Amino acid sequence: SYVLTQPPSVSVAPGKTARITCGGNNIGINSVHWYQQKPGQAPVLVVYDDSDRPSGIPERFSGSNSGNTATLTISRVEAGDEADYYCQVWDSSSDHQAVFGGGTKLTVL
Amino acid sequence: QVQLVQSGSELKKPGASVKVSCKASGYTFTSYAMSWVRQAPGQGLEWMGWINTNTGNPTYAQGFTGRFVFSLDTSVSTAYLQISSLKAEDTAVYYCARDRAAAGSNHFDYWGQGTLVTVSA
Repeated sequence: SYVLTQPPSVSVAPGKTARITCGGNNIGINSVHWYQQKPGQAPVLVVYDDSDRPSGIPERFSGSNSGNTATLTISRVEAGDEADYYCQVWDSSSDHQAVFGGGTKLTVL
Repeated sequence: QVQLVQSGSELKKPGASVKVSCKASGYTFTSYAMSWVRQAPGQGLEWMGWINTNTGNPTYAQGFTGRFVFSLDTSVSTAYLQISSLKAEDTAVYYCARDRAAAGSNHFDYWGQGTLVTVSA
């Protein structure tokens, strides 16, 4: 089955830029989606189809996807961005299932 | 506004069954599929499968066949997850999530608040 690899943790100072990666074999040909999950809350979609933002999500959140790596970029990081972030794709090979990365804990220093 | 409201926490003994509900509002229920996602304590998200809200046809992910059943009551815009023969390792938060597969993009744009199922003797 398809595997998505995320770093367990990323730390960034307020006001700086955070980049969270999601690695997968030839992930660039898939659409990648990103979710933010704060403690005790349900996940929230922050980026879909590699780089689109749902309404209500700040422009500070952006995404890119090429080759074997997709990236979620959070500009001008705020304390409220501290959360777990998960990437997700649809594995349309033999398994036909949604696959999540293991998640990245973003810490705002 | 779109809302998915799930039933409350459950405490069950091993071997028992549980049925979690997910009531949708703010959109046409049968226009979007519904997925279920599991999150074990301190762990990541795990997709369990989805149900076609038009046909009622469920699809289960690997590892979620046999004891897991997705169902619907379209008259009340509600999806259900039933788990039988509960084991301690089924202890988790279970989420329903609206699936945008019909729009050609398999992602989850709205989520329920989650239902904690605890299995303990």
